Amino acid sequence: NAGVTQTPKFRILKIGQSMTLQCAQDMNHNYMYWYRQDPGMGLKLIYYSVGAGITDKGEVPNGYNVSRSTTEDFPLRLELAAPSQTSVYFCASRLLATDTQYFGPGTRLTVL
Amino acid sequence: QKEVEQNSGPLSVPEGAIASLNCTYSDRVSQSFFWYRQYSGKSPELIMSIYSNGDKEDGRFTAQLNKASQYVSLLIRDSQPSDSATYLCAVTVPSNAGGTSYGKLTFGQGTILTVHP
Repeated sequence: NAGVTQTPKFRILKIGQSMTLQCAQDMNHNYMYWYRQDPGMGLKLIYYSVGAGITDKGEVPNGYNVSRSTTEDFPLRLELAAPSQTSVYFCASRLLATDTQYFGPGTRLTVL
Repeated sequence: QKEVEQNSGPLSVPEGAIASLNCTYSDRVSQSFFWYRQYSGKSPELIMSIYSNGDKEDGRFTAQLNKASQYVSLLIRDSQPSDSATYLCAVTVPSNAGGTSYGKLTFGQGTILTVHP
């Protein structure tokens, strides 16, 4: 199993550009999450999903959108990138019956 | 505002010593409590979870939970240089009365631990 994979690893965006961060898991996990981590800080939840077709907002959803058309994939869309979105983005997944969240390697995004 | 606060770091201990990491949380209905380890430039990795008051031991790690004081701690015995990392405390809170948290984690800001030889 590859676990949780994220692409790209690094990206530089200009202000106002858009992009999609990809996240996939091959563990057949029901729950998936997107977090962001600013330098020297903990992680903050952006969006989460409890299954295909079901998503909900987390603590910091503004400026982002998600979709979940399959169990495996949970892409995060940034519209009109702003410098405040410069961060490291982590995707995580979890099986319904357990508490352990498995994190992907992260995407480091810089908006200039 | 649900908050999780960790003791300010960085924390530096000599090899072989006990490292003590502390965390307080503001929401009394918090359900589950976790400690994650994050090496520099890497993703968080779960090392301990605890759900009820008292101690839980796993190898060199002991998690302690006191719900009355809204306090959770992590002790690392016989600290090794390989334990040098940022330690993140996280909790889950029900979305609604009697409901589930859906596993949503609220993290503290992390404590940087350095174990020097």
